[in-house]
Amino acid sequence: AQSVTQPDIHITVSEGASLELRCNYSYGATPYLFWYVQSPGQGLQLLLKYFSGDTLVQGIKGFEAEFKRSQSSFNLRKPSVHWSDAAEYFCAVTSYQAGTALIFGKGTTLSVSS
Amino acid sequence: GAVVSQHPSRVICKSGTSVKIECRSLDFQATTMFWYRQFPKQSLMLMATSNEGSKATYEQGVEKDKFLINHASLTLSTLTVTSAHPEDSSFYICSARDGERGSYNEQFFGPGTRLTVL
Repeated sequence: AQSVTQPDIHITVSEGASLELRCNYSYGATPYLFWYVQSPGQGLQLLLKYFSGDTLVQGIKGFEAEFKRSQSSFNLRKPSVHWSDAAEYFCAVTSYQAGTALIFGKGTTLSVSS
Repeated sequence: GAVVSQHPSRVICKSGTSVKIECRSLDFQATTMFWYRQFPKQSLMLMATSNEGSKATYEQGVEKDKFLINHASLTLSTLTVTSAHPEDSSFYICSARDGERGSYNEQFFGPGTRLTVL
């Protein structure tokens, strides 16, 4: 079955500390992978995406993610977290095939402590 | 570029009434649009996929007679919640795929519509 697993429901990180949010996927076709961030009551903002090529992708707000095919993972990282990063983070996968919907993970809530 | 809008952003209605939510791609033609539903503190669940000019494809468990989707043009899709009940209260988000942007299946999301049924 096609699925996305975000093992951590809730993570608390001190401001200035590094962050890694985990994402594992199960997908039958070549995956296109995304990380989105959602603030309370808001829509989704795309942080970064991976289609092909370099497996380390850079995104907005200082985020990066690394695609590891052998581990079926696409973990999100940030070297130094800011209080404004507190939000809900979703990992998602789709295929190259036009019109294929995104499959989302359940999300990870990030809290930032001062 | 690649902006998707939704209207209204928030709606409160009485039980039994119908509510229409619009999803527009403002600067591109959306060959495919998707409708998602999100309950509080949960993930997005795909409700249906709609292609311009054809009937929407609904996910298992989604009542197509209750959630009417119309994708009449390349820039507009509508979701109508018919005879709404309190359990339909949710955050509805649409996304659109730009048919001109090569083969990458990237989707662009609207800001969402908060529906509250009293």
